[in-house]
Amino acid sequence: DTAVSQTPKYLVTQMGNDKSIKCEQNLGHDTMYWYKQDSKKFLKIMFSYNNKELIINETVPNRFSPKSPDKAHLNLHINSLELGDSAVYFCASSQGGTIGSPLHFGNGTRLTVT
Amino acid sequence: AQKITQTQPGMFVQEKEAVTLDCTYDTSDPSYGLFWYKQPSSGEMIFLIYQGSYDQQNATEGRYSLNFQKARKSANLVISASQLGDSAMYFCAMRGLNTGNQFYFGTGTSLTVIP
Repeated sequence: DTAVSQTPKYLVTQMGNDKSIKCEQNLGHDTMYWYKQDSKKFLKIMFSYNNKELIINETVPNRFSPKSPDKAHLNLHINSLELGDSAVYFCASSQGGTIGSPLHFGNGTRLTVT
Repeated sequence: AQKITQTQPGMFVQEKEAVTLDCTYDTSDPSYGLFWYKQPSSGEMIFLIYQGSYDQQNATEGRYSLNFQKARKSANLVISASQLGDSAMYFCAMRGLNTGNQFYFGTGTSLTVIP
């Protein structure tokens, strides 16, 4: 049973295209996240949703739009892809307001923009 | 402000030896949690161990233990009896009571276990 699953695992596309990454968790958590990991392995928070409400929205180009249809799903849509968007994107979930609840990560989506 | 610092970009350890990965943090939160994650070359992020700021004892999980020194604001990860499979990136992270849904990550330490 996969706890946090995201698809696709690999995404290769050309500049200017639009793409989506899907994420689902079956842990019953109420909070989900998108992180971007760059080539230096630095993890940067992009967005977080708690019970379908956006609670964290870091400085991210508005070409990135998250959508949470319910608390078990958080998708990421990216418009007009640029070379600099190439990275690994991780979806994660946790129980909100519980400091002992760790982040559970999906396996990541490696996005390559050519 | 919340901040996590990992000052060792790379570490080497001989197989079967113990190794300590450093993590210091800064927070004004009265209550917080500290986490360590492992990222092997395959890319997934694996949760290893958790320490609560009010826990009386240092956390242990198998070969992993957390050397928590609250006054020094440090939460170092100790891996005993290193194995080749321990070669990976290791990230320290923190979550505070007043910033309950935000996790703060360090920049990571790359550990290489030498046979």
